[in-house]
Amino acid sequence: ETGVTQSPTHLIKTRGQQVTLRCSSQSGHNTVSWYQQALGQGPQFIFQYYREEENGRGNFPPRFSGLQFPNYSSELNVNALELDDSALYLCASSRNAGTQDHTGELFFGEGSRLTVL
Amino acid sequence: GEDVEQSLFLSVREGDSSVINCTYTDSSSTYLYWYKQEPGAGLQLLTYIFSNMDMKQDQRLTVLLNKKDKHLSLRIADTQTGDSAIYFCADEGGGFKTIFGAGTRLFVKA
Repeated sequence: ETGVTQSPTHLIKTRGQQVTLRCSSQSGHNTVSWYQQALGQGPQFIFQYYREEENGRGNFPPRFSGLQFPNYSSELNVNALELDDSALYLCASSRNAGTQDHTGELFFGEGSRLTVL
Repeated sequence: GEDVEQSLFLSVREGDSSVINCTYTDSSSTYLYWYKQEPGAGLQLLTYIFSNMDMKQDQRLTVLLNKKDKHLSLRIADTQTGDSAIYFCADEGGGFKTIFGAGTRLFVKA
């Protein structure tokens, strides 16, 4: 069983640039959630995708956007980068809440560490 | 909105028990979780408890849930240096998003 993989692992951008982060979900999982984890903080929910549609969103501006593909992999796009966007971006996959053995467990990748200069 | 709070640091000696506490605000929570994060890694589920349970034991881990006070705790028996990590309390709530606390950094002294 392949786990959640994210790319790139590290990247450096400058203010105003755009970034795309990628995530492959664990096999058998159809739901992907993205989290932002600033240094010394807990993960903050950005949004969730289920069946290629956004299924819920946290308190993040529209310049944070995403996609989910038919194979359930996902992208997180951030436009007009700001210094405060520097963080570890975590992707987590899960089984949909409607499945019989659903416990809500999130399976996390190791994250993409973004530094904005 | 929903919130999860936990103490930020805990230091224990190897072999002692560790107790990490957490409070949450969402009364519609179905599941409550404890995740562990080691340096440079993503989070990994340690254990979870269903909201109609008071206690769950899993080897060295004991989870206690007080729904009335919205208080969750994680006890690690016989704490080892390998248990040094950040422990996150998390609340599934009634919706689509899991809410995490800021994490408790556990330091285990040999």
